[in-house]
Amino acid sequence: QKEVEQNSGPLSVPEGAIASLNCTYSDRVSQSFFWYRQYSGKSPELIMSIYSNGDKEDGRFTAQLNKASQYVSLLIRDSQPSDSATYLCAVSTDSWGKFQFGAGTQVVVTP
Amino acid sequence: EPEVTQTPSHQVTQMGQEVILRCVPISNHLYFYWYRQILGQKVEFLVSFYNNEISEKSEIFDDQFSVERPDGSNFTLKIRSTKLEDSAMYFCASIRAYNQETQYFGPGTRLLVL
Repeated sequence: QKEVEQNSGPLSVPEGAIASLNCTYSDRVSQSFFWYRQYSGKSPELIMSIYSNGDKEDGRFTAQLNKASQYVSLLIRDSQPSDSATYLCAVSTDSWGKFQFGAGTQVVVTP
Repeated sequence: EPEVTQTPSHQVTQMGQEVILRCVPISNHLYFYWYRQILGQKVEFLVSFYNNEISEKSEIFDDQFSVERPDGSNFTLKIRSTKLEDSAMYFCASIRAYNQETQYFGPGTRLLVL
């Protein structure tokens, strides 16, 4: 059974601090990796995609991928109260592009 | 910016009734997906659709589910005889091509089966 694992949280982060989110996946042939943000009752909203080992930065967000360790992470710098949400890790493996999602990590940014 | 749309936003139905959830994918996209999310649980893949046929489906997608693209724009999910456990948010997503493509999600339909 192919799995995507995330800590459920909640991860409490003071405003202005760095939030660090982790995700591991079991299928070694996974190709594409995504971080989505989901507010309660809303649909997933893309934050970052990453396909190659290493770091990728976009504004306050940095995604890190290590395929050898089957690990992908997301850093949120200068966390804001509006960053309070559930962050979903999604992995795409097969040729039809379906996503496998982790259960999500709830982040709470406290003023 | 183009976006995926879904209707209705909310649907309440009685157990055993048929429901049709509608999606309009982004216009030049070729691959279409349905996912569901039961309250408090993870987003789960239901089905992918390409070239007017199902390309992959999950164990959840049993005989009571069907999908079709009746015209050039709509993509529908039909649940033939709803059960209480079908209550969930249903998300439609689409991509232009499968390789290294971000899936864009619609706003979802919240289905409540009573």
